[in-house]
Amino acid sequence: EVQLVESGGGLVQPGGSLRLSCAASGFTFSSYNMNWVRQTPRRGLEWVSYISSSSSTIYYADSVKGRFTISRDNAKNSLYLQMNSLRDGDTAVYFCTRDWRDWGQGTLVTVSS
Amino acid sequence: EIVLTQSPVTLSLSPGERATLSCRASQSVSSYLAWYQQKPGQAPRLLIYDASNRATGIPARFSGSGFGTDFTLTISSLEPEDFAVYYCQQRSNWPLTFGGGTKVEIK
Repeated sequence: EVQLVESGGGLVQPGGSLRLSCAASGFTFSSYNMNWVRQTPRRGLEWVSYISSSSSTIYYADSVKGRFTISRDNAKNSLYLQMNSLRDGDTAVYFCTRDWRDWGQGTLVTVSS
Repeated sequence: EIVLTQSPVTLSLSPGERATLSCRASQSVSSYLAWYQQKPGQAPRLLIYDASNRATGIPARFSGSGFGTDFTLTISSLEPEDFAVYYCQQRSNWPLTFGGGTKVEIK
């Protein structure tokens, strides 16, 4: 059974940093491209970042470019999102997804003073 | 950035009725359009990919159509578990974008 489990969310002050993790199991992680998506009640679903299976290709949404870094460790079956210079507008539930077919349960990031 | 506009925002229907949801793209996305269902507190669930292909395990009452800029998700006969929010997504161009969603509610 495919499982994706996000962790690392929490409350952080504006300007702060967080590192999200997505632990994958039940499939050959190194064979799949992965994405981070976030969701807020006001803005709905927003694609955040993409990383190819070998990490050779990476894309970011303009709203996070230069502040967020996506990475993966295929040996550890894990996907990461390093989030720096966090803003109020980054407050959201963050999901990781494999191939858009399988999603984690999400982790809540709250940016507030 | 490709903007996806979904209509209507809310669709009030009864179980057994047919639901027709629309997604319009600001420029052509060819057939690179997906549909998702989301229920409160859950992650989105992929229903349709490449405009008309049902994802694994999705019932046949869900169907997708369209090409270019105009797409439709049809639920032929609503089941109680189908009342949810539906999103379209384009995977033609970066950045990938989602529509604002259509809520299918019980009338």
